[in-house]
Amino acid sequence: EIVLTQSPDTLSLSPGERATLSCRASRSVSNYLLWYQQKPGQAPRLLIYDASNRATGIPARFSGSGSGTDFTLTISSLEPEDFAVYFCQLRNNWPLTFGPGTKVDIK
Amino acid sequence: EVQLVESGGGLVQPGGSLRLSCAASGFTLSHYWMYWVRQAPGKGLECVSRIDDDGSSTLYTDSVKGRFTISRDNARSTLFLQMYSLRVEDTAVYYCARGNSGFDIWGQGTMVTVSS
Repeated sequence: EIVLTQSPDTLSLSPGERATLSCRASRSVSNYLLWYQQKPGQAPRLLIYDASNRATGIPARFSGSGSGTDFTLTISSLEPEDFAVYFCQLRNNWPLTFGPGTKVDIK
Repeated sequence: EVQLVESGGGLVQPGGSLRLSCAASGFTLSHYWMYWVRQAPGKGLECVSRIDDDGSSTLYTDSVKGRFTISRDNARSTLFLQMYSLRVEDTAVYYCARGNSGFDIWGQGTMVTVSS
């Protein structure tokens, strides 16, 4: 089973700053990697599919990159509504494991 | 509006059973694979089960195999998760989600609490 690790656990930043989140797979997953955002009390929201494609309605400040085992989610300039937890997920290998998450909080 | 609405959660004793439902609207359920995902309080996300578009193929995470059954009624636009032999560690919010290049639509979740 492929394991996903995310770093850092918590990222403390101010609005307007750039956020860089990492997700690493225990073996290659090609580009079959997804990113989600989750706010307290809400269901997750799909941000990025296939490592670098923004899902419908996702603002351009969110971008994804990487392939193989190393992936990055970048938020170019944090808006107040972006402070949340971010999860990566496998797309193609059951049980479609999620990473443990990175919390982006306000500095 | 494209929407998923779960129901059926609640408090149940260890060893008990529950049946979750997920009503789909705004899209044709039969066109999509569907999933149940759970999140224990304060924890991460776990994909519990998957069913293909016509219900002919299902998958389960190891911890629920033999205890949970996923099914669907496309004519009623409804997804189900029958849960037997519930354990304390099954306590979580259970979400249904649509598979479409990732989980692009999620329900609001239904809480399942297993406790004596």
